Amino acid sequence: GESVGLHLPTLSVQEGDNSIINCAYSNSASDYFIWYKQESGKGPQFIIDIRSNMDKRQGQRVTVLLNKTVKHLSLQIAATQPGDSAVYFCAEPALYNTDKLIFGTGTRLQVFP
Amino acid sequence: EPEVTQTPSHQVTQMGQEVILRCVPISNHLYFYWYRQILGQKVEFLVSFYNNEISEKSEIFDDQFSVERPDGSNFTLKIRSTKLEDSAMYFCASSEFRGLGEKLFFGSGTQLSVL
Repeated sequence: GESVGLHLPTLSVQEGDNSIINCAYSNSASDYFIWYKQESGKGPQFIIDIRSNMDKRQGQRVTVLLNKTVKHLSLQIAATQPGDSAVYFCAEPALYNTDKLIFGTGTRLQVFP
Repeated sequence: EPEVTQTPSHQVTQMGQEVILRCVPISNHLYFYWYRQILGQKVEFLVSFYNNEISEKSEIFDDQFSVERPDGSNFTLKIRSTKLEDSAMYFCASSEFRGLGEKLFFGSGTQLSVL
């Protein structure tokens, strides 16, 4: 069956360091992945997405890497700031032609000075 | 920037009571969704709605749940007879096109507590 999961529930980093949040998926047919950020008291907010025909995609201070061989993706945040503190979810569509997103369990990123 | 708004932010109810959670999607959006997140668990899809009818629903969305777009701006989720296990944060989302990822905008949620 499909599942999207994360390796670590909590990640603590020092301000200015780079953060790497990991996610594993089980369905080799998955072709689209999304990273969401959820700040306390708010709903998920889109960060970046990647399609399976790409290995890497960059945004502003964020990079997503996709390794289809081991069914793993990661979110890299450069120069982590206190405002990056949040829970980060990877997500993927449940099936082709579906409205349903499957979310991972989330990683809480804590940034300390 | 346009946003999805949800009311109330917190709702406390007694088991067996009916609750209505309200959402105002972004004005030019045509697709609407409800998700929920039980404390400490994953965000879970409940239902999608388009053209005044349900497009897709999950196994969670049983006969106790219903959705409605009563007018041109509101989108509601009704739970007919709440159970303790319905306690969760409920997120409304909307999109202009049938889409996922960056095209999906979430509200800040309604925290439902069933006592």
